[in-house]
Order: sequence, then structure tokens, then C-alpha cells
Amino acid sequence: AQSVAQPEDQVNVAEGNPLTVKCTYSVSGNPYLFWYVQYPNRGLQFLLKYITGDNLVKGSYGFEAEFNKSQTSFHLKKPSALVSDSALYFCAPTGANNLFFGTGTRLTVIP
Amino acid sequence: DAGVTQSPTHLIKTRGQQVTLRCSPKSGHDTVSWYQQALGQGPQFIFQYYEEEERQRGNFPDRFSGHQFPNYSSELNVNALLLGDSALYLCASSRKTGGRYQETQYFGPGTRLLVL
Repeated sequence: AQSVAQPEDQVNVAEGNPLTVKCTYSVSGNPYLFWYVQYPNRGLQFLLKYITGDNLVKGSYGFEAEFNKSQTSFHLKKPSALVSDSALYFCAPTGANNLFFGTGTRLTVIP
Repeated sequence: DAGVTQSPTHLIKTRGQQVTLRCSPKSGHDTVSWYQQALGQGPQFIFQYYEEEERQRGNFPDRFSGHQFPNYSSELNVNALLLGDSALYLCASSRKTGGRYQETQYFGPGTRLLVL
């Protein structure tokens, strides 16, 4: 069975501080892992993905994510948060099936 | 370069009616996937089309059907609408690479369907 968990429904961070949005997954076989962001009343925008290779993946808008196979985690990070980063973030693994989404984490960056 | 486009943006239907949603993929993409996102939930996979055939299907009833045209655009049809079908319907396009799901899916803005 395939599953994804984002343990925090809500993350608040002050502008300029580092941010982390956590994700753990369970897939059969080698995982392909994606992060998407959704702004209000909008579709999903691709941020980054891990397929193979370097465990640290760099993506759009200064975001990066670290793949940890032993902990089955793929946490999203950014060194310095912007107010404009406030949105809903989804971690989505694939594997044997198509993209599988959890309920997401709402990030609020406080000015 | 146009991204994924969807029409209409909003739609209001009544129970029992039928609805058709449309999607045009990003230039160079040949695979279209449809997702349903209920309020407060993450997107759920409905089905995927490639080479004008349904290739994969999620856990949705037969009331949900689709079509892909030779130009790779796609339609999602929902029959006998239920109140629970109210959601944001997202279309995503990608390139197909040997059946593996590592290609990035790019999403359209969605169609918000309200069933009364």
C-alpha cells in the first residue's frame, strides 16, 4: 500500500526565518517524490522532485528538500521564509501508482 | 508557451445532471491525468489518459468517464451528479516515458464544480 503523511496541518514561521515542512511516505519499490504548492483558488505548482541521485534536491523559489531513505522522509526546507511563501504545500510520492496526495500542510509566514 | 488550460473555471449543476470538463495539456505533453480535490483535502487521482486510452484509474465509480482526443486534449465526464461531487477538478499533463511515473505533472488552474 502507498501512503504519505504530513504530520503538521499548520506551520507558522516568522519572515526571514528558516522553514521546514515535514513529509514521510510509504511506497513499494523505489520512490519518486514530489512537492507541490497551492495558492488560494489555484491549481498546484511544481516545486521539486527526487528521482535518484543526490539526496538534497533544489527546486523553484529557493526551496530544497532532503531525501532520507532510512527514515522514509522528504522534508521541504527554505533558508529564509517570505510572506509570499504562505500557501498550502503537498508532498506526493509515486511508485507503482500515480501521484498520491495527503491533506497537505498550510504554511503561514508572519511579517 | 501556454501551460495547462481548463474550462470552464466554475460550474453549477443540480443533482442528477451530467457535466463535461475540458483540459488542454502543456505544449509537448501527451499524457493527461485528472484529479478531484474536495474542500480541505488533497487531490485524489481519478484516471490517466495516454494515446487516447484510459491507462490507469483511481477509486472512482463508473459515473466518471473520460476521453482523450488526437491533439492530446481531454474531457472528464461525470454522470448522475451527487452533492458529494462538488469539488475542484484538476487536470495535469506530462510526458509519458516508458510507463514510469517520474515525469513531472503540471497542473491547470482547475474547474470548481458545485452540485446543488
